[in-house]
Amino acid sequence: EPEVTQTPSHQVTQMGQEVILRCVPISNHLYFYWYRQILGQKVEFLVSFYNNEISEKSEIFDDQFSVERPDGSNFTLKIRSTKLEDSAMYFCASTGLATRGTQYFGPGTRLLVL
Amino acid sequence: DAKTTQPPSMDCAEGRAANLPCNHSTISGNEYVYWYRQIHSQGPQYIIHGLKNNETNEMASLIITEDRKSSTLILPHATLRDTAVYYCIAPSYNTDKLIFGTGTRLQVFP
Repeated sequence: EPEVTQTPSHQVTQMGQEVILRCVPISNHLYFYWYRQILGQKVEFLVSFYNNEISEKSEIFDDQFSVERPDGSNFTLKIRSTKLEDSAMYFCASTGLATRGTQYFGPGTRLLVL
Repeated sequence: DAKTTQPPSMDCAEGRAANLPCNHSTISGNEYVYWYRQIHSQGPQYIIHGLKNNETNEMASLIITEDRKSSTLILPHATLRDTAVYYCIAPSYNTDKLIFGTGTRLQVFP
């Protein structure tokens, strides 16, 4: 069964450093998403991406964040200058053309900013 | 998004049916109800969705009341591996984003 994959599974970085989180969505999907979950808190929507552009973003997704689909398979989330409060699990999700609430999530990347 | 209300926690004996309720009284006529679950710190897992009719798949059944103001997710024979937080979500028709609340923490016990 096709799955969303994410790398790395864990990332430790120093405050102020740039990080890139990588995702490989399910191959025939066209809509891509990033969510995050701070430890002990709710899963929060960050951004949705379709047709090579952002379709929706949350207030969390400020200028420090960017997303890209550099090739036909990868979908990345970049945080330019990490802050302590960026420490969280980051989940990538994707879906096809059917009801877009049916999203398939990856296992997540645990980001720790020191 | 329609506001959803779920009990914070429920218990279920292994092998029994788990019935998880959700209220979504402000749901609009064209908004679907989706159910997801999250096992420990894994990524959320899609379970099932519906609009008006009851739905069933290999994981669960979804019963939606006729007025669509509430629904129930049914896991017919709960196992220990069904222990998770279950989320009921009713996104607006014009958005893809899923807004996760605090969900129901289901504990399946032997």
